[in-house]
Amino acid sequence: LAKTTQPISMDSYEGQEVNITCSHNNIATNDYITWYQQFPSQGPRFIIQGYKTKVTNEVASLFIPADRKSSTLSLPRVSLSDTAVYYCLVGDIGRGSTLGRLYFGRGTQLTVWP
Amino acid sequence: GAVVSQHPSWVICKSGTSVKIECRSLDFQATTMFWYRQFPKQSLMLMATSNEGSKATYEQGVEKDKFLINHASLTLSTLTVTSAHPEDSSFYICSARERGALSVSSTDTQYFGPGTRLTVL
Repeated sequence: LAKTTQPISMDSYEGQEVNITCSHNNIATNDYITWYQQFPSQGPRFIIQGYKTKVTNEVASLFIPADRKSSTLSLPRVSLSDTAVYYCLVGDIGRGSTLGRLYFGRGTQLTVWP
Repeated sequence: GAVVSQHPSWVICKSGTSVKIECRSLDFQATTMFWYRQFPKQSLMLMATSNEGSKATYEQGVEKDKFLINHASLTLSTLTVTSAHPEDSSFYICSARERGALSVSSTDTQYFGPGTRLTVL
């Protein structure tokens, strides 16, 4: 199982772009990269998922270099409500996979200041 | 988007009693559901994988006789904490796996429930 390493905490100000980098040096060929956001006393919320290159949706972008040993979650123009813990996970979740289990690391506590 | 619900959202019980937590996928069918536990200031810990119509697969160190999991239908999985003790007090979260579209490159995304706060006195 690929282990991930993220910064424990990050600080930012409203309106800034935030980039959170995750290292996953032993990612397997079948592994996808998924990011979740969690607020206190709530279940994690799916943000974005990718396999390679760049993925963008309405809330974030995910950049994955060619070697896939790291990934960067980019949050454009953060607001106070983006203060949360962000988790990077890797796992075999391709369609048809009989596994799909996700193992959470410590995550990154992002604090957005006014 | 895919919605997963949990019931109850919180429960307080006496030591020695059993507590059942329900996890439902509201707008999709989930052949696989997962149960996690989270202690304060810690990350989520995967407890077990629940497959519809078959026995759950427990992670190492999780007592299967204490945490009973039933996945009777494609939209419902239950976790029963038997003979609960104060050390079982935690935040229990389920997730359901939504099947991707019929394409080679699609993935199965996991969506999480809102969690259940269990307090054992």
